[in-house]
Amino acid sequence: KAGVTQTPRYLIKTRGQQVTLSCSPISGHRSVSWYQQTPGQGLQFLFEYFSETQRNKGNFPGRFSGRQFSNSRSEMNVSTLELGDSALYLCASSLKGNTEAFFGQGTRLTVV
Amino acid sequence: QQQVKQSPQSLIVQKGGISIINCAYENTAFDYFPWYQQFPGKGPALLIAIRPDVSEKKEGRFTISFNKSAKQFSLHIMDSQPGDSATYFCAASGDNQGGKLIFGQGTELSVKP
Repeated sequence: KAGVTQTPRYLIKTRGQQVTLSCSPISGHRSVSWYQQTPGQGLQFLFEYFSETQRNKGNFPGRFSGRQFSNSRSEMNVSTLELGDSALYLCASSLKGNTEAFFGQGTRLTVV
Repeated sequence: QQQVKQSPQSLIVQKGGISIINCAYENTAFDYFPWYQQFPGKGPALLIAIRPDVSEKKEGRFTISFNKSAKQFSLHIMDSQPGDSATYFCAASGDNQGGKLIFGQGTELSVKP
């Protein structure tokens, strides 16, 4: 069974640009969550999607958005990038949330 | 009330010793408590998880101890090996949280040969 796949693995963007990250969950998993990981703040929850609906959202500005498609694949978008958005962005999938969640390798975003 | 507090921040253990990492939570609605292991450059990997209906769960060298009244849980790594050197995160979630995991700040474990 394939694991959680995140693309791309690495990204370098310029301040003010926007970026889209992709996550393909484990087959059969309907819940996809996104997290931002930084050395200073640790792992912080961005949002969670279940069956194409956003079920929960963390304390991030509106520049961070996401969506989920009918095949459970998810994308997150960050607009008007700031230097502080440089982080490892992780996606996790689970069957229905509040159960075993499996993480992808992450997308390392660097904003210059 | 949403926080999960994890200690210690870093831990050095000799090979063959026991590594103990502790976490505390406030929200009594939490009912799922996983531990993750993360190596540099990798995503967190699910290690072991527990629900409040049991006080202990063991998988190989890894054991979770859970104290519901104290709102604390801990990870014990028996016979620690250099390959266990990684960052460990505790987390918590509840049914009303959907898929949202609240993570502790992490513990950097170093096992010396």
